[in-house]
Amino acid sequence: DQQVKQNSPSLSVQEGRISILNCDYTNSMFDYFLWYKKYPAEGPTFLISISSIKDKNEDGRFTVFLNKSAKHLSLHIVPSQPGDSAVYFCAAKNFGNEKLTFGTGTRLTIIP
Amino acid sequence: DAGVIQSPRHEVTEMGQEVTLRCKPISGHNSLFWYRQTMMRGLELLIYFNNNVPIDDSGMPEDRFSAKMPNASFSTLKIQPSEPRDSAVYFCASSSGASSWTFGSGTRLTVV
Repeated sequence: DQQVKQNSPSLSVQEGRISILNCDYTNSMFDYFLWYKKYPAEGPTFLISISSIKDKNEDGRFTVFLNKSAKHLSLHIVPSQPGDSAVYFCAAKNFGNEKLTFGTGTRLTIIP
Repeated sequence: DAGVIQSPRHEVTEMGQEVTLRCKPISGHNSLFWYRQTMMRGLELLIYFNNNVPIDDSGMPEDRFSAKMPNASFSTLKIQPSEPRDSAVYFCASSSGASSWTFGSGTRLTVV
């Protein structure tokens, strides 16, 4: 069973516009959520995270929103830049457990 | 720190052969994770260790897969015998129990 779901395999956005990547989860015990970015032939790199006690976390152009009642989180990138083109993975962990559960990823393409 | 180091970067082997993937975690990190990336399932956790002890191996596909962590600075993932369906990118990650996990660059395994 896929506890973390990214239903959009791909997304194309014009440079300068906002990119919104979505993630849904089913496990109500998840208490910490992360977004990773992955370029081809490289490992995933940490982008931004949010604790379940918050509903928003911002870091420069990147903002993550968490809606616990809907079991939904989203990553906003504004403005989008060509270097943002990559695969983005959503991940989550249970309280007291270091295991990260990942979604299947969304390939973001920024169109110049 | 050099980050999480995986070897080899690429491995091509014939069906039925034994394959060993290696990982050196970041010094001071006490948890190590082995993930496999496939198109269908994204990043799936195979096994994770805490303080060199296997904590959760529920993701190991079958008995052909085994993992060891003989000390805090080294881990192996072994597949014996290998099959074409094992072809994937295998990632190792480590964490210090804080808020982010660091991934290696991965090993691309091709079984022909």
